[in-house]
Amino acid sequence: QVQLVESGGGVVQPGRSLRLSCAASGFTFSTYPIHWVRQAPGKGLEWVAVISYDGSKEFYADSVKGRFTISRDNSKNTVYLQMNSLRAEDTAVYYCARVLTVMIVCLAYWGQGTLVTVSS
Amino acid sequence: EIVLTQSPGTLSLSPGERATLSCRASQSISSSYLAWYQQRPGQAPRLLIYGASSRATGIPDRFSGSGSGADFTLTISRLEPEDFALYYCQQYGSSPTFGQGTRVEI
Repeated sequence: QVQLVESGGGVVQPGRSLRLSCAASGFTFSTYPIHWVRQAPGKGLEWVAVISYDGSKEFYADSVKGRFTISRDNSKNTVYLQMNSLRAEDTAVYYCARVLTVMIVCLAYWGQGTLVTVSS
Repeated sequence: EIVLTQSPGTLSLSPGERATLSCRASQSISSSYLAWYQQRPGQAPRLLIYGASSRATGIPDRFSGSGSGADFTLTISRLEPEDFALYYCQQYGSSPTFGQGTRVEI
């Protein structure tokens, strides 16, 4: 079955960097776009970024554009989120998610999330 | 950016009752790109409805979605104890956005 497992979260100081990973299994990874969505403590869901199936296209929320970079390694079935110049407002649980199908791009499969805390 | 506004913020109901949740977009969106998610405490979101009215695999038929243009509705016909949770709508066109959520509480 489809499985997504995030890792790499932790406590980091403002201005520093962190890289999250999303390891996928149970499907043909290289066929699907993958998204990152975050949720600040006690708050709603915020879409962060998406990468196309082959890594040729990336799109970002304005709140992270220029600071975060999404990438993927299809040989390792893994998507990454490189987060630079972190701010307190980036504190959140970060989820990776797969679309339902290549034509229906709502988020059907989610990981369990990894918590990023930005604090001095 | 398309802003989604959900109402009410909180819905207080009893098991067996009907829940009606609203999602209004700041501009018309294709119904093909409107989804609803459920989130229970400590869990990841779960896809309920996509394309405004299509139930995802394994979702009970007490959940239904409707609407078009800028107004969409999620209806839970008879609330079960496990349905008391947070619900989010999402438009998944370019630059996806989520509504702020509706809490369904007992």
